[in-house]
Amino acid sequence: DGGITQSPKYLFRKEGQNVTLSCEQNLNHDAMYWYRQDPGQGLRLIYYSQIVNDFQKGDIAEGYSVSREKKESFPLTVTSAQKNPTAFYLCASSIAGVRKETQYFGPGTRLLVL
Amino acid sequence: SQQGEEDPQALSIQEGENATMNCSYKTSINNLQWYRQNSGRGLVHLILIRSNEREKHSGRLRVTLDTSKKSSSLLITASRAADTASYFCATDGAGGTSYGKLTFGQGTILTVHP
Repeated sequence: DGGITQSPKYLFRKEGQNVTLSCEQNLNHDAMYWYRQDPGQGLRLIYYSQIVNDFQKGDIAEGYSVSREKKESFPLTVTSAQKNPTAFYLCASSIAGVRKETQYFGPGTRLLVL
Repeated sequence: SQQGEEDPQALSIQEGENATMNCSYKTSINNLQWYRQNSGRGLVHLILIRSNEREKHSGRLRVTLDTSKKSSSLLITASRAADTASYFCATDGAGGTSYGKLTFGQGTILTVHP
């Protein structure tokens, strides 16, 4: 059963704390993406990775960090430098190539600040 | 700022009616995609239309693309209560340097009343 999984479904962060959101895919996709969605808004790209051990900043990378040590995994860390982290975070993946086209999304993680 | 702007922001119709959503964008594109999001869930790909196509059908979905006006529309015919969701357009920029980065609009919230 192929797909993208994200965990946890809900995550609570205390002031000054770093938290890590998990994203795993078994679709054998080379490219993976992290988006942030605020209420009533579209998706904004945080980071993306086209291949293992390589990743690029998206439009709103400040306060976030990622790693891509395995093809299947692309964890996102929300650091204490991100002052407004409350949002819905979506991970996606797609086939490699210049025209990657369709993206497949995970179910999302909702991050709340205590 | 977002590449895509969607109109209307919210649409409320009765079951059986048709629903039309519009998307405008600013720069040249390789393709335009439509995605659906149920409340609190990930996005699901609906349909992709390439820049050299004018119309595409998939089941009850009809998408048109007018590159001269930089706009697209999504028509859902014979709507059902289960079509209630947010619908997003996403553009994949032309020029070969976008590396599959999609830019999402802010979405249209569709409510279909039984």
